[in-house]
Amino acid sequence: GDSVTQMEGPVTLSEEAFLTINCTYTATGYPSLFWYVQYPGEGLQLLLKATKADDKGSNKGFEATYRKETTSFHLEKGSVQVSDSAVYFCALSYGAGSYQLTFGKGTKLSVIP
Amino acid sequence: ETGVTQSPTHLIKTRGQQVTLRCSSQSGHNTVSWYQQALGQGPQFIFQYYREEENGRGNFPPRFSGLQFPNYSSELNVNALELDDSALYLCASSSGQDQPQHFGDGTRLSIL
Repeated sequence: GDSVTQMEGPVTLSEEAFLTINCTYTATGYPSLFWYVQYPGEGLQLLLKATKADDKGSNKGFEATYRKETTSFHLEKGSVQVSDSAVYFCALSYGAGSYQLTFGKGTKLSVIP
Repeated sequence: ETGVTQSPTHLIKTRGQQVTLRCSSQSGHNTVSWYQQALGQGPQFIFQYYREEENGRGNFPPRFSGLQFPNYSSELNVNALELDDSALYLCASSSGQDQPQHFGDGTRLSIL
């Protein structure tokens, strides 16, 4: 079946450091890919998405590119802030939206001043 | 615009009991999905309702059931609770089956 694998956390960075969170997927078809963020005590918020190969999703300084050849969708940000501390989930689904999302286990990011 | 609201926020039950969790979808949304998020794990899809009909189900036993009402709010019912049912239950609504999902803050269910 379909699955998503994320790098193990937690990840601790200093403010203004460069962030990469790796995500790879296994899928039988051609899914859409998503990054969601979960702040403490809250539900998930959609951060960005890409619906086909070579698409780049971006939002709030975060970016991720859909790489079909490496089945990857790594999340990057050039300069993290303390407010970026949260748990980040990579996910896939079939369709342009988010029908039946399949999530990775999540990566906890802590940014220290 | 009111977002997705879930109730209760926390709940404690014992093994064998039954529980009902509730979700009010965001205004204008006709699709509701439910997810189970165990501690330290990613959410797992339970099922989705579209216009009051079940529209897809994940790998969960029949004791997990749901309803969607004409106003598109939804309930998740779990019978014969087991210890492994302890988790955060997330509801998400969208304006269609293939539209971005908006999540509520979840209900934390603890089974003793």
